Amino acid sequence: GAVVSQHPSWVICKSGTSVKIECRSLDFQATTMFWYRQFPKQSLMLMATSNEGSKATYEQGVEKDKFLINHASLTLSTLTVTSAHPEDSSFYICSAAPRGGASTDTQYFGPGTRLTVL
Amino acid sequence: AQSVTQLDSQVPVFEEAPVELRCNYSSSVSVYLFWYVQYPNQGLQLLLKYLSGSTLVKGINGFEAEFNKSQTSFHLRKPSVHISDTAEYFCAVRAYSSASKIIFGSGTRLSIRP
Repeated sequence: GAVVSQHPSWVICKSGTSVKIECRSLDFQATTMFWYRQFPKQSLMLMATSNEGSKATYEQGVEKDKFLINHASLTLSTLTVTSAHPEDSSFYICSAAPRGGASTDTQYFGPGTRLTVL
Repeated sequence: AQSVTQLDSQVPVFEEAPVELRCNYSSSVSVYLFWYVQYPNQGLQLLLKYLSGSTLVKGINGFEAEFNKSQTSFHLRKPSVHISDTAEYFCAVRAYSSASKIIFGSGTRLSIRP
């Protein structure tokens, strides 16, 4: 089946630094990828929709300048948390929609990245 | 716009007992319906999905769900649970395009007691 990977799986950083998280579709091309954030014991909240070759679409309340998204190829999207602060500590999950897929195709989720900001 | 309501935040059940996790949704457009499971410190795994056809959908690990259009519900059931079913379960909807965003419910924590 289709596989989506995320790197790193966990990261600890100091407040004020930037962290980059990668989301890769390993055996399919993905025109569209999604980034979610999940706080402890809460649901997944969509942060942004990432389209290859164009600017990401951010959900209301998500700071574009803080959460930089780059979808430079059909198999890679990156999320950079700039000037991270402790309140950015969360579980970040990406999903990918296969390129040219049918409307019934499933989106595939990555295993998540746990970010801890000290 | 779509929204998903999971009526129970936590459901404790004894091992080998049946369980039902409730989910209601609202949408101004036609949607597909999903149930995902998340084990501790892991990503999401698709349990089952309703696209069209029979309203009773069977998924992995012995789970099934029934789509009820008139009640806008998609409840998840399992006739006999195991300790290994302990996890967080999310109901979700998505508009017809495969590139549409998925909207998740708040989740139901299923805890199995021996």
